[in-house]
Amino acid sequence: EAGVTQFPSHSVIEKGQTVTLRCDPISGHDNLYWYRRVMGKEIKFLLHFVKESKQDESGMPNNRFLAERTGGTYSTLKVQPAELEDSGVYFCASSHRSFATSVYRETQYFGPGTRLLVL
Amino acid sequence: DAKTTQPTSMDCAEGRAANLPCNHSTISGNEYVYWYRQIHSQGPQYIIHGLKNNETNEMASLIITEDRKSSTLILPHATLRDTAVYYCIVRVHGSSNTGKLIFGQGTTLQVKP
Repeated sequence: EAGVTQFPSHSVIEKGQTVTLRCDPISGHDNLYWYRRVMGKEIKFLLHFVKESKQDESGMPNNRFLAERTGGTYSTLKVQPAELEDSGVYFCASSHRSFATSVYRETQYFGPGTRLLVL
Repeated sequence: DAKTTQPTSMDCAEGRAANLPCNHSTISGNEYVYWYRQIHSQGPQYIIHGLKNNETNEMASLIITEDRKSSTLILPHATLRDTAVYYCIVRVHGSSNTGKLIFGQGTTLQVKP
């Protein structure tokens, strides 16, 4: 079974340009998450999709960031216009939730990340 | 903010057990304890999780104290490939809850030959 894939693996752009990151979750996973780690900081949550709906977008830093998941399959994260502080590694994760024997199970599987450098 | 406290770094000899502690003194009754790790330049990898009982899988064991205020991740026979940053995370589960993970600084485990 294929894991979470992200494209591109690296992106170098100039300040003010637009970049679109793509995430393909594991097939059948309704939940899709975006996280990022900026230089020297911890990994931070950005937002959470359930199918094509945004369940939680409390971590989105500002309106320069737009995430979509049309059709509930792959997701894109667009940064427009990019700023220097947007540099970092952007991770996508997907999961399937289950509840059995009084225990919730949800394992988030992470992709390899997209390394974004804004010059 | 992360609701857990972990040592910044630890060393372990190859082949020995690695015991990574985590304090989560403010954990709520419906919060689970999760462990992830990040090997250099890769995405975080799930290891194990539990609510109140000890858990074991092919990767590790999770020991949760009876009061649930702390836990220990045990890698029974550490190898050089286990060198990574290990994150202890507490999160609420529920069909309508967001599943976001709140990462702290984690523990950098260095396995030495």
